[in-house]
Amino acid sequence: DTEVTQTPKHLVMGMTNKKSLKCEQHMGHRAMYWYKQKAKKPPELMFVYSYEKLSINESVPSRFSPECPNSSLLNLHLHALQPEDSALYLCASSQDGPSGNTIYFGEGSWLTVV
Amino acid sequence: AQSVAQPEDQVNVAEGNPLTVKCTYSVSGNPYLFWYVQYPNRGLQFLLKYITGDNLVKGSYGFEAEFNKSQTSFHLKKPSALVSDSALYFCAVRPSLYYGNNRLAFGKGNQVVVIP
Repeated sequence: DTEVTQTPKHLVMGMTNKKSLKCEQHMGHRAMYWYKQKAKKPPELMFVYSYEKLSINESVPSRFSPECPNSSLLNLHLHALQPEDSALYLCASSQDGPSGNTIYFGEGSWLTVV
Repeated sequence: AQSVAQPEDQVNVAEGNPLTVKCTYSVSGNPYLFWYVQYPNRGLQFLLKYITGDNLVKGSYGFEAEFNKSQTSFHLKKPSALVSDSALYFCAVRPSLYYGNNRLAFGKGNQVVVIP
């Protein structure tokens, strides 16, 4: 079972709404990630935090705003989204450092933008 | 830049038969290789990885994978497939060259259908 917990599991929001996705891990990992996944496609990296600092932003539109309040928590703030942003949003974590470390994923938050 | 190829879109196998899901990779230097499985409406679950050492890696749920450096392949195998193995399987690679490189390159995924 995954030790990365994501809430909510499902979210429906209008294009003018502001909402947040939340992620928590208690494995002591210092790298945390947001991925976006469309149906039957591989996950696409959005953001990486390393030691609570944003280390990778894959040119994600500013309507997605990540936040890492502490080493266990990761948020994704959503504002003025478009219908094409509807997808499964996956949070993940890993030990930072040597790249052989395994990335562990949460169960995801299903987002529908109407 | 690293990349992964999973040449088949779907793999159909009868229950009880051997299951193979193919993966080839391209990376500068030595690779770190991973397999993940995604069951319907779920997140990705880690199955196994190759970092170094023995070319045959054993993982969760009876899966194993063989690293072949000369063929740049990392095929996933299971001796006897179960209906519950029906899922989407992703191969992924990272280069070992850069300390702290957190980018995983995923293949497109293979849908495995195990027929009762």
